[in-house]
Amino acid sequence: DAGITQSPRHKVTETGTPVTLRCHQTENHRYMYWYRQDPGHGLRLIHYSYGVKDTDKGEVSDGYSVSRSKTEDFLLTLESATSSQTSVYFCAISEGQDNEKLFFGSGTQLSVL
Amino acid sequence: GENVEQHPSTLSVQEGDSAVIKCTYSDSASNYFPWYKQELGKRPQLIIDIRSNVGEKKDQRIAVTLNKTAKHFSLHITETQPEDSAVYFCAEGAKNNNDMRFGAGTRLTVKP
Repeated sequence: DAGITQSPRHKVTETGTPVTLRCHQTENHRYMYWYRQDPGHGLRLIHYSYGVKDTDKGEVSDGYSVSRSKTEDFLLTLESATSSQTSVYFCAISEGQDNEKLFFGSGTQLSVL
Repeated sequence: GENVEQHPSTLSVQEGDSAVIKCTYSDSASNYFPWYKQELGKRPQLIIDIRSNVGEKKDQRIAVTLNKTAKHFSLHITETQPEDSAVYFCAEGAKNNNDMRFGAGTRLTVKP
C-alpha cells in the first residue's frame, strides 16, 4: 500500500454547490494525479501536481481546480458542481521512475443532483 | 499521449481458456504501456507494464506484447481462473507520462 487515502468516499451534492475532494499520501511522493472514471471512457486525467504549488492541467480540466500546499495533500475542487461531474474520482501517485506505475486511491463516488 | 482504442469491450471465456485484449495507439512518441485490473468497486491496480524497447514481457500467467510498427499492444492471460474476472484497462504514455491515456476498458468474465 502506497499510503494514499481519499476523502470523502461518497458524496451527494446539488448543482451549483462547491465541492472539495481530498487526497492524502504518507510516502513523500512528488507526483500526484486526479482522474475521473466514467463508463465508456476509462480513466481521464483532470489535473496533476509535480510538487508543492506546482500543478498542471490534464485532458478534462474544465470546471476543476486543484491545490497542493503540502507534499502530502492534493485537493480537487469543483467550484460550482454540475451534473456532468457526477463520476468516480481517483487520486493517484507514481511509484516508479519517470512517473510510471500509478498507484490509485480507493476513489470517491460523487453524485451531483 | 493521444487516444488509445481498446478491444473488445466485453470478453467471456471458459475457465482454463486464454484471453487476449488488444489496444491500438496513435502517438509514435509513446514509450510506456501499462495494464491495470479493476475488480468491482475497487481501485485500478497495475498488473504488468512494458517499455517500447521490449517486444514482450511475461509474469506467470499474464504477458504483454508490443508491436511498435503497427502501434498496438496486447494483454494475454493464459489458464484463466474465475478470479481473473474484472475490467482491464490499457494505457499509453509518452515523454514524462504525466498525460497517460487510458483505454475504455474490457470487462472479462471467466465462467467456471
